[in-house]
Amino acid sequence: NAGVTQTPKFQVLKTGQSMTLQCAQDMNHNSMYWYRQDPGMGLRLIYYSASEGTTDKGEVPNGYNVSRLNKREFSLRLESAAPSQTSVYFCAIRGDYEVRILETQYFGPGTRLLVL
Amino acid sequence: KNEVEQSPQNLTAQEGEFITINCSYSVGISALHWLQQHPGGGIVSLFMLSSGKKKHGRLIATINIQEKHSSLHITASHPRDSAVYICAVSFNQFYFGTGTSLTVIP
Repeated sequence: NAGVTQTPKFQVLKTGQSMTLQCAQDMNHNSMYWYRQDPGMGLRLIYYSASEGTTDKGEVPNGYNVSRLNKREFSLRLESAAPSQTSVYFCAIRGDYEVRILETQYFGPGTRLLVL
Repeated sequence: KNEVEQSPQNLTAQEGEFITINCSYSVGISALHWLQQHPGGGIVSLFMLSSGKKKHGRLIATINIQEKHSSLHITASHPRDSAVYICAVSFNQFYFGTGTSLTVIP
């Protein structure tokens, strides 16, 4: 039971290149999230998906696209990477809102992205 | 605007000291969370609470809903407690503080 997995763990891109960050979960949770973490700032929500087939913008969606392929997988795509997107990216999952005991988020190990 | 404010930003303590990290929030919440981010980057959930107090080992978390304030206490601190501690609140989505970097010196 791996919980939340992310690939790759580390990536270096040149400005303008594209890439997709993958996130997969084996906990059967409905909600999935993509965050970025930058020095001196809290985790900021990029996009989230409340259920399979739905996605919504978070606080900082510009420059990103997402795809909720199925209940298990939620990918984040950078179409044309910029140095401002250098960050650590975390995928997280959460149980159903209606059931508070499952409201804890579980985080993936993170992807460190450097855009030159 | 910061919905969640933590203090202090950085904290250095001697092994064995009692440590307190504070968190204030400005939004309505359904729960408050304390997270620990290890030096390697992984994030784990320590506590989720919506009232009162919770204890797990040497860690104690309290929340005062009326004052919109929470504290995380570590008793008998140890170097392995060195990490970034993040306060987050949840309602429809999560709001995160910027974290408190704790270093415990042997």
